[in-house]
Amino acid sequence: AQSVAQPEDQVNVAEGNPLTVKCTYSVSGNPYLFWYVQYPNRGLQFLLKYITGDNLVKGSYGFEAEFNKSQTSFHLKKPSALVSDSALYFCAVRRAGTASKLTFGTGTRLQVTL
Amino acid sequence: EPEVTQTPSHQVTQMGQEVILRCVPISNHLYFYWYRQILGQKVEFLVSFYNNEISEKSEIFDDQFSVERPDGSNFTLKIRSTKLEDSAMYFCASGRGIAVHEQYFGPGTRLTVT
Repeated sequence: AQSVAQPEDQVNVAEGNPLTVKCTYSVSGNPYLFWYVQYPNRGLQFLLKYITGDNLVKGSYGFEAEFNKSQTSFHLKKPSALVSDSALYFCAVRRAGTASKLTFGTGTRLQVTL
Repeated sequence: EPEVTQTPSHQVTQMGQEVILRCVPISNHLYFYWYRQILGQKVEFLVSFYNNEISEKSEIFDDQFSVERPDGSNFTLKIRSTKLEDSAMYFCASGRGIAVHEQYFGPGTRLTVT
């Protein structure tokens, strides 16, 4: 079985400050890890992924995420938040080497204020 | 940029009625998925489809559900006899294959069962 935990329902940050959205996972074998963002009344938009290699992966809109195998974590980060980053963020995992289902976390609402 | 499309955007139906949700995946993708998101809850996997057959399904995907790729471009989800608890946002996703790891999601169909 595979699972994802996003321990924070909401993260509040001021524009210009760094942000972190936390994610831990559980999966058999090696993981493929993903972050998706959902804006109101929209679908899930792919942000970035970790497959193999460098533990720090960069994605769209200045976001990056750090894979930590020992802590089974894949936290999403951005050095300087924008108000337009306010949205719902989902972490997802699936088994490496497959095209199988994604298992999502419960989502974290990011609120960036001026 | 190619994207996954879904129709309708919103469907209202009465309990016990059949509904068909339609998706057009990205044209060179080989793997197709349906997920759902009950309001305020996480995104849940329903079914995956490859090579004209179901490759994986969740416990949610019972005999009331079926999927079809009738014409090589559309991918449909049918719910035979809707229940109140089927009310959710249904997302279609597609992926190119094992070597290209992310899934691309459509904007969703909001199904309301009354």
